[in-house]
Amino acid sequence: DAKTTQPTSMDCAEGRAANLPCNHSTISGNEYVYWYRQIHSQGPQYIIHGLKNNETNEMASLIITEDRKSSTLILPHATLRDTAVYYCIVRVGNTGNQFYFGTGTSLTVIP
Amino acid sequence: EAGVTQFPSHSVIEKGQTVTLRCDPISGHDNLYWYRRVMGKEIKFLLHFVKESKQDESGMPNNRFLAERTGGTYSTLKVQPAELEDSGVYFCASSPRPTYLDRGRETQYFGPGTRLLVL
Repeated sequence: DAKTTQPTSMDCAEGRAANLPCNHSTISGNEYVYWYRQIHSQGPQYIIHGLKNNETNEMASLIITEDRKSSTLILPHATLRDTAVYYCIVRVGNTGNQFYFGTGTSLTVIP
Repeated sequence: EAGVTQFPSHSVIEKGQTVTLRCDPISGHDNLYWYRRVMGKEIKFLLHFVKESKQDESGMPNNRFLAERTGGTYSTLKVQPAELEDSGVYFCASSPRPTYLDRGRETQYFGPGTRLLVL
């Protein structure tokens, strides 16, 4: 069912940029890519989303390839509090409102 | 602004019992969603309300699960009778009614989840 593919785990040194890749090769033209993260025992937290242009907010940047088959979430200066599972999500469904979470990437920020 | 709240945070019940989970969405949000993660699996969509109407319930696993949203405010998810495989974390999310320009890109805001353990 999952529409996205992500590496299972990644490490990143504190203070460095964390680059989390995601493949969504079957994405349709009107489907947005969302990124959420889940810190242990909390609910998924929204980070950023985009359609085809690169996006940036106070938390992260989202780089989407021109063919839209993959994207990268960038946390510019990772901190220990960024240790979490990061989900790349394509929203689909009868009403376009289902989120397929996939397995996510477990990011560990190392001091 | 208060976020999405869920009650209880934890529930431990025996197989065959009934459990009711409650979700209070962000005030004014027309859309309400239920998701769950059962042990070792991915977070899966269960259903979607628009106000009090079920817009999409394609993810509901079977007829032991009943979701309601009377009055279009809070929602309940009842499991009756509960089975061992129902153990997991049940998340609720809400999103506002989109404007025409925002249609298709509404952000869903998640609650902390209810951890259900069926023994």
